[in-house]
Amino acid sequence: DAKTTQPNSMESNEEEPVHLPCNHSTISGTDYIHWYRQLPSQGPEYVIHGLTSNVNNRMASLAIAEDRKSSTLILHRATLRDAAVYYCILRPPRPSNTGKLIFGQGTTLQVKP
Amino acid sequence: SAVISQKPSRDICQRGTSLTIQCQVDSQVTMMFWYRQQPGQSLTLIATANQGSEATYESGFVIDKFPISRPNLTFSTLTVSNMSPEDSSIYLCSVEIGTGELFFGEGSRLTVL
Repeated sequence: DAKTTQPNSMESNEEEPVHLPCNHSTISGTDYIHWYRQLPSQGPEYVIHGLTSNVNNRMASLAIAEDRKSSTLILHRATLRDAAVYYCILRPPRPSNTGKLIFGQGTTLQVKP
Repeated sequence: SAVISQKPSRDICQRGTSLTIQCQVDSQVTMMFWYRQQPGQSLTLIATANQGSEATYESGFVIDKFPISRPNLTFSTLTVSNMSPEDSSIYLCSVEIGTGELFFGEGSRLTVL
């Protein structure tokens, strides 16, 4: 399974944008890039995923490098509620995708008021 | 989306005893997944539970230690058997619905004395 590399921690100020980087230099051509986050004392929650093109949803944007060896999760205006551990995960496509997520250590995001 | 309820949310148990964790989903799903999160660590998949068949365990996890039941499409249990302090963890149930997103319960925090 291809691995991802993320900074251990990052800090942001409230209402400012946050760019969370992820390196995945050994990604295969069919792996999807998924992002999950885990708020304190909660289970992980899905944030966004993409394959090649940049993606936007109500929670965040995902910018994927042209060579797909890195990606960036963008929170456009951080709030205190966005303080969490953010996981960048590679998933093969179905049907080989069994629902198994390989979680790294993730990036702990602190948001300052 | 899916709403996942886990019971108990937390428990303190004595060494050598067993505890069964329940997971209830608000919709029918083919596969359910059990993860473990040890203190200060990331999540690790224990097993995949399909309705009507035996669970599939990941490397390092065995059925005798973590027996799983899957009696119907909305319910599963995970038992942690003959517990030791090393089993103190958060145990999370998850399901996959729709476009590859995994939904997680809030977890069951187990402390073994």
